[in-house]
Amino acid sequence: DQQVKQNSPSLSVQEGRISILNCDYTNSMFDYFLWYKKYPAEGPTFLISISSIKDKNEDGRFTVFLNKSAKHLSLHIVPSQPGDSAVYFCAANFLSGGGADGLTFGKGTHLIIQP
Amino acid sequence: KAGVTQTPRYLIKTRGQQVTLSCSPISGHRSVSWYQQTPGQGLQFLFEYFSETQRNKGNFPGRFSGRQFSNSRSEMNVSTLELGDSALYLCASSLVGRGPDTQYFGPGTRLTVL
Repeated sequence: DQQVKQNSPSLSVQEGRISILNCDYTNSMFDYFLWYKKYPAEGPTFLISISSIKDKNEDGRFTVFLNKSAKHLSLHIVPSQPGDSAVYFCAANFLSGGGADGLTFGKGTHLIIQP
Repeated sequence: KAGVTQTPRYLIKTRGQQVTLSCSPISGHRSVSWYQQTPGQGLQFLFEYFSETQRNKGNFPGRFSGRQFSNSRSEMNVSTLELGDSALYLCASSLVGRGPDTQYFGPGTRLTVL
C-alpha cells in the first residue's frame, strides 16, 4: 500500500513557464513533508519542506502548497529553468517522532524543461 | 562543510556473497538512515541509527543489517545476496533524526548482483 503517491511519472514544461508537481498521501498521521530533487547518479538533494501547521512555504523559485483536507501537496517552480530537469520526490514524515519509520517517499516525477 | 560520503560508489557481487557499504555523515549529524532505491519500488527505508543504536527499521529481511560507530559513521551489510538486491543504496544523515529535521543524502552506492 503506497502511502505517498506521485501519479505523474513525467512532466514536460517549457522554459520560463510554471512547473507544478503533485503529490497525494493517505496516512493522515503524516505532518511533515519534503521535496527532494535527484539527478542521475547522485543522491536526492533537499529542496523545500512544510509542516502541517502551514499551508504554504516559499523559497525563491520554489513554493510548496499543502491541502490537509485533501491530503495533497504540490510543488510550484517559477520560472522553470533547464537546470530544473531532474526527478522530483515527495516525502512524508512525522513531527512527533517516536515510531517514525524514516521518510516515506513517492516514486518520483521526472520533470523535463524544454528550451 | 563536507556532505555525506558513501563508499564504494559502485560494486559488483555474485549471488550468495555478502557486501558491506559505508557511510560518513555530515559533521555533527548523529542520525544516519539507509534507503534502497529500485526502479520498481522507488526509495524505501531500510533502517535508522542514532548514537550507535538502531532506532527504526523498515520492512526488509534480516539479511539486511547495519551498525553505527561512536563517530556516527555507519555501515550496512547485506548477506546472502540475491539478484533482487541490485539497487542504489542511499545513506542520509540528519542532526537528530526527529521532528522537522532535514535528511541530507549521499551520492549512493550502486550495487549490482550477478
